[in-house]
Amino acid sequence: GAGVSQSPSNKVTEKGKDVELRCDPISGHTALYWYRQSLGQGLEFLIYFQGNSAPDKSGLPSDRFSAERTGGSVSTLTIQRTQQEDSAVYLCASSLSVQINTEAFFGQGTRLTVV
Amino acid sequence: QKEVEQDPGPLSVPEGAIVSLNCTYSNSAFQYFMWYRQYSRKGPELLMYTYSSGNKEDGRFTAQVDKSSKYISLFIRDSQPSDSATYLCAMSSASGGSYIPTFGRGTSLIVHP
Repeated sequence: GAGVSQSPSNKVTEKGKDVELRCDPISGHTALYWYRQSLGQGLEFLIYFQGNSAPDKSGLPSDRFSAERTGGSVSTLTIQRTQQEDSAVYLCASSLSVQINTEAFFGQGTRLTVV
Repeated sequence: QKEVEQDPGPLSVPEGAIVSLNCTYSNSAFQYFMWYRQYSRKGPELLMYTYSSGNKEDGRFTAQVDKSSKYISLFIRDSQPSDSATYLCAMSSASGGSYIPTFGRGTSLIVHP
């Protein structure tokens, strides 16, 4: 595709349910990043992938959060047993590689609301 | 203290004004400095990119980096209502061989006609 695609664009879920957020990066981009943007809090880094590998998962807020990437392409961020504090916009970005400083292209985000 | 500090605003200016947006940071290892612009309900998009200290100009936009003071700025000349957006500074270094952008909170800019 022409850009980074995220789905769904909006998700309303009940507290305690699991949710899956999907990111389809730009073709050929080996690096993929997940950020969370809460009101007035800026972009909080969650996790990155180089290829299918996520070397550092320490940015994930709790063990309810997990992420995977398959085939060096699509990534899924899963939040189990959602809580109200998980409500935020989840942004995905991709770039050519994490090993060089290149432009990160962002998707439009998934707006998650936990009620 | 966050690694990157940025005043969230909002900053409201009249059309045609010169706008100054700023960030401070604490990590002296940062080498690459970026400004992203984010319109409402959209993802951020790269506006300016600078390596190390110095100035860079692109049309109405000028980015400045002062590594000695750990301070970066973005100037917008002849501001337009279409410049109304949130501006996020971002920085990175080759920590562990990987460049992961660290973002500020973003400053909300409103340019009114």
